[in-house]
Formats: sequence, C-alpha cells, structure tokens
Amino acid sequence: AQSVTQLGSHVSVSEGALVLLRCNYSSSVPPYLFWYVQYPNQGLQLLLKYTTGATLVKGINGFEAEFKKSETSFHLTKPSAHMSDAAEYFCAVSGGGTSYGKLTFGQGTILTVHP
Amino acid sequence: DAGVIQSPRHEVTEMGQEVTLRCKPISGHDYLFWYRQTMMRGLELLIYFNNNVPIDDSGMPEDRFSAKMPNASFSTLKIQPSEPRDSAVYFCASRRGTVSYNEQFFGPGTRLTVL
Repeated sequence: AQSVTQLGSHVSVSEGALVLLRCNYSSSVPPYLFWYVQYPNQGLQLLLKYTTGATLVKGINGFEAEFKKSETSFHLTKPSAHMSDAAEYFCAVSGGGTSYGKLTFGQGTILTVHP
Repeated sequence: DAGVIQSPRHEVTEMGQEVTLRCKPISGHDYLFWYRQTMMRGLELLIYFNNNVPIDDSGMPEDRFSAKMPNASFSTLKIQPSEPRDSAVYFCASRRGTVSYNEQFFGPGTRLTVL
C-alpha cells in the first residue's frame, strides 16, 4: 500500500519569499513521486517528477523538489514566489505491487501569495 | 495536440436522474483514468483502463457507478441513479505506456451538481 501526507492544507507567503510545500510518502517499493499543480477551474498539470537517479529534481516555473529516502519526503520549493504561483499543489506517489500504474494523491496544499 | 477532452464541463441534475460524463483521451495514450475530487475526500481514483480494458475498479463507490471504454478514443462514466453526495468534480486523465512514472495528462474536469 502507498500513501501521501501533505503537511499544511494552506500555505501563505509574500511575493518574493521562499515557497516550501511539504510532502511525506509511504511506499513498500521504491516510489515514483510527483508534484502536480491545479489552477482554479482547471485540471491538474505536472510540475515535476522523481523516478530514479538525481534526487534533486527541477520542474517548470522555477520549482524543484528533493527526494530524501531516509526521511520519506519529497518537499517542493521555489526560491521566490510569484503571484501567478497561487494555486493548489498535489503530491502523488506511484509504486509497484497492487498499486502499480496508479497514482495516490495527497490532500493538496493551497498556496496563497500576498503582494 | 488537443489534450484530454471532457464533456460536459458543468452538469446540474436532480436526484434520481441518470448522469453520463464523457472523456476523449489524448490520441496514442493507452491508459485512461477517472478521478473524483471533493473537499472532504480530496482526489480519488475511481477506475482505470488499459487498452480499453478495465484494470482496477476498486475505487468505484458503489453499483450506481459504471464506466466503459468502447474504443481507444472514448470513455464514459455513468451514475444511475444520482444522489446529492455524488456532487463533485470528475476528472479524466490519460497516459502513454506501461511505465507508471509516465505523466498523466488531466482533462479540465466536469463539475457535477446533484440537487
């Protein structure tokens, strides 16, 4: 079985400040990890993913995430927030076994960016 | 590419009525996923298909829900009879290939309101 926990359902930052969205996962096999973003009234869009290899993954719009196996974490960061980053962010895990082929999503974190 | 197409974008119906949601995946994608998003339960996988065959329907909430994929270009999710608790946003997503870290591309969703 696999699961994802996103710490903090709402995060608020000022424009230009660091963005940090937290994600911890549980998986019985080496996981594939994803961050998706959802803008209002739209579907989800892939920001970045970790498969194997380099643990620091860079995505679109200046976001990056680091896979830390020892901490079972995959936190999302951006050095400087922009107003356009305001959206809901979902962490997801895909693994093997009975969960193969399926994405399990966290509950989502709503990011608000203040001027 | 047109992306994943869903119709209708909004549906308002009365309790007891049949509801049919439609999805056209991206051409060449052989996996199709149906998700439901609610405030209370977040994003849930309902069912997914591979090459038009249902692989895992363990997320389908009850017998009132059914899904079909008669060909590679079309899938439906039907609710009969509908209930107010079915009100949610329903997303369709598609993916190419058997590798589970390939990106899932999401449609814009259908917002269903059951009165």
